[in-house]
Amino acid sequence: GAGVSQSPRYKVAKRGQDVALRCDPISGHVSLFWYQQALGQGPEFLTYFQNEAQLDKSGLPSDRFFAERPEGSVSTLKIQRTQQEDSAVYLCASSYRDPNQPQHFGDGTRLSIL
Amino acid sequence: EDKVVQSPLSLVVHEGDTVTLNCSYEVTNFRSLLWYKQEKKAPTFLFMLTSSGIEKKSGRLSSILDKKELFSILNITATQTGDSAVYLCAAATHNAGNMLTFGGGTRLMVKP
Repeated sequence: GAGVSQSPRYKVAKRGQDVALRCDPISGHVSLFWYQQALGQGPEFLTYFQNEAQLDKSGLPSDRFFAERPEGSVSTLKIQRTQQEDSAVYLCASSYRDPNQPQHFGDGTRLSIL
Repeated sequence: EDKVVQSPLSLVVHEGDTVTLNCSYEVTNFRSLLWYKQEKKAPTFLFMLTSSGIEKKSGRLSSILDKKELFSILNITATQTGDSAVYLCAAATHNAGNMLTFGGGTRLMVKP
């Protein structure tokens, strides 16, 4: 596809369940980022991949959050034992390695934890 | 701690008005300043600014960066209802492959 694709668009889970969110970046983009956006706030950095290597995960809020990109393309963000404070929109962005190129965002997954 | 602050928080104007949105930043290893427009879905890219004093323009939108005073402004002239959105400012750093630190956004509503 032409843009960053995320699925599902909406996810409702009960507290304590595990969830998996998928991101399919723009073809050719080696850099991939995950951000968390709470209601009424700007996105906050979670983690960064260059190809399959996770080079920074300093923004992951707890060890319940885990991200992978095993083949350097599609990425999955997994949240284990979800809690209500995990409710947010999870945005994925991708870019070329060139830092003068902007990040392009997907539509996000809106996660609601009941 | 890296910080990006946007003002105003929200703005209501009428079609045809001109608006100025503000963004100040305080980040280590600053690389560039980006503006995005967010309607109900993905933030869409507007501008990337790396040099002070050089205005970037796209139609009715323009933006400029001041690296000495650590701020940027986004101007929208002759506003239209389709400009209604949240405008996000973000600072890119040399850390984490160009990770972005976002401000909280300015919510713009343009009334007919």
